Amino acid sequence: TQLLEQSPQFLSIQEGENLTVYCNSSSVFSSLQWYRQEPGEGPVLLVTVVTGGEVKKLKRLTFQFGDARKDSSLHITAAQPGDTGLYLCKAAGNKLTFGGGTRVLVKP
Amino acid sequence: DVKVTQSSRYLVKRTGEKVFLECVQDMDHENMFWYRQDPGLGLRLIYFSYDVKMKEKGDIPEGYSVSREKKERFSLILESASTNQTSMYLCASSLGTAKNIQYFGAGTRLSVL
Repeated sequence: TQLLEQSPQFLSIQEGENLTVYCNSSSVFSSLQWYRQEPGEGPVLLVTVVTGGEVKKLKRLTFQFGDARKDSSLHITAAQPGDTGLYLCKAAGNKLTFGGGTRVLVKP
Repeated sequence: DVKVTQSSRYLVKRTGEKVFLECVQDMDHENMFWYRQDPGLGLRLIYFSYDVKMKEKGDIPEGYSVSREKKERFSLILESASTNQTSMYLCASSLGTAKNIQYFGAGTRLSVL
C-alpha cells in the first residue's frame, strides 16, 4: 500500500474537456507538490502547496490542498494536448514519497 | 539553467553484471537522489545523499549501492544485476531547503536480460 494514493491511474479525454486528479493519504503532510512528467523526460515541478485549504492556480491548472493537509487535487480546465503526461504528487519530508501517478491523455 | 545529466538514456545488461549509473548536477546542490520508476508504482526512492560521502537508504535499497565522492556526482551501482531490476532509473538533486524542490534528469532505461 502506497503512502500516497492517486486516482484515477489513467484518464483519456478530448481536447476542451475538464479533468480532476486526486492525491490522497491517511497521513498529514507539511507540504505537497505536483510534478508533470512528459515522455522521455524526468518529472518537472508544477506547484508546491503548504497551507491547509490553499488553492493555487497555474494558467488552466488549479491545485488545492485539503484542509487537513492529507489530500490534494489538480483540476485542469479546457485541457489541451500539451497537458498530456504523467502527473505525480509528492509529499515533502525525509522520505520524499511519490504517489503512483495519473497518466493523462488529451486527444485533439 | 538547471541541469541534471544522466550518463546513459538506455542500457542493456546481462544478469550478474555489475552496472554503474552515473548522474551529474551543475547546481551545487547538497542533496542527490536515485529513484526507480515502474508503471503504477510511481517513483520509489532507492538511496539519497545529503553531502559528499554521506548516504541514506530509501524505501528499496536492496540490491543497490551508491557512491558520492564529489558534490556534483552521484552514482548508483547494481552489484549483480537481476531481471527484476529492469526499470527506469531517475536521478534528482535539490537544495537543502524544507520545500525540497527536486530537479530530475531525463532517466536511464535499464534492461537486464
